[in-house]
Amino acid sequence: AQSVAQPEDQVNVAEGNPLTVKCTYSVSGNPYLFWYVQYPNRGLQFLLKYITGDNLVKGSYGFEAEFNKSQTSFHLKKPSALVSDSALYFCAVRDAGAGNNRKLIWGLGTSLAVNP
Amino acid sequence: DAGVIQSPRHEVTEMGQEVTLRCKPISGHNSLFWYRQTMMRGLELLIYFNNNVPIDDSGMPEDRFSAKMPNASFSTLKIQPSEPRDSAVYFCASSSGQGFRGTEAFFGQGTRLTVV
Repeated sequence: AQSVAQPEDQVNVAEGNPLTVKCTYSVSGNPYLFWYVQYPNRGLQFLLKYITGDNLVKGSYGFEAEFNKSQTSFHLKKPSALVSDSALYFCAVRDAGAGNNRKLIWGLGTSLAVNP
Repeated sequence: DAGVIQSPRHEVTEMGQEVTLRCKPISGHNSLFWYRQTMMRGLELLIYFNNNVPIDDSGMPEDRFSAKMPNASFSTLKIQPSEPRDSAVYFCASSSGQGFRGTEAFFGQGTRLTVV
């Protein structure tokens, strides 16, 4: 069965420090992996995705994520956190071999708090 | 493009009443998704359409929920009769598959439904 785990409900980091939001996944085939961010009272916004190719993916707002097939992980990172990065972050996966099924499997989200 | 447009933004209704949520996807997108977000369950996929056809409705909680997509530019999610446990934020999202399953979805601002 496909699944996504975000092991931390909340991550706290000081402004200017590097941040990591963790995500691990399970799919039967190759994964398509996504990160989304949700600000209060807003819809989810796409940050970045891994489809194929380079394991290090760069996205919006200075975020990047590294695909690690052996560890089935896709952790979100940023070298220097901003207070404005405080939000809810979601990881999602789709099985690349799942025919025409576009259904994403979502993690429960990680709340990131960046302290000034 | 104005993005995915949902209406209303907020809805307060009495238990037993019919509720209709509306969504206009991004022009040219051929996949549409309805999600529900609650604190307890996180983000749940209710149903998704591909080329106006419902593909997977396994997430629809019960027969009180129904969704339609009469054309490529409009979809509705109806709850009849509504119950307090239906209170949640409902998101609509769309994506452009173009035969490539790795495309990301774009979310609307959501409808916050409160059933009293």
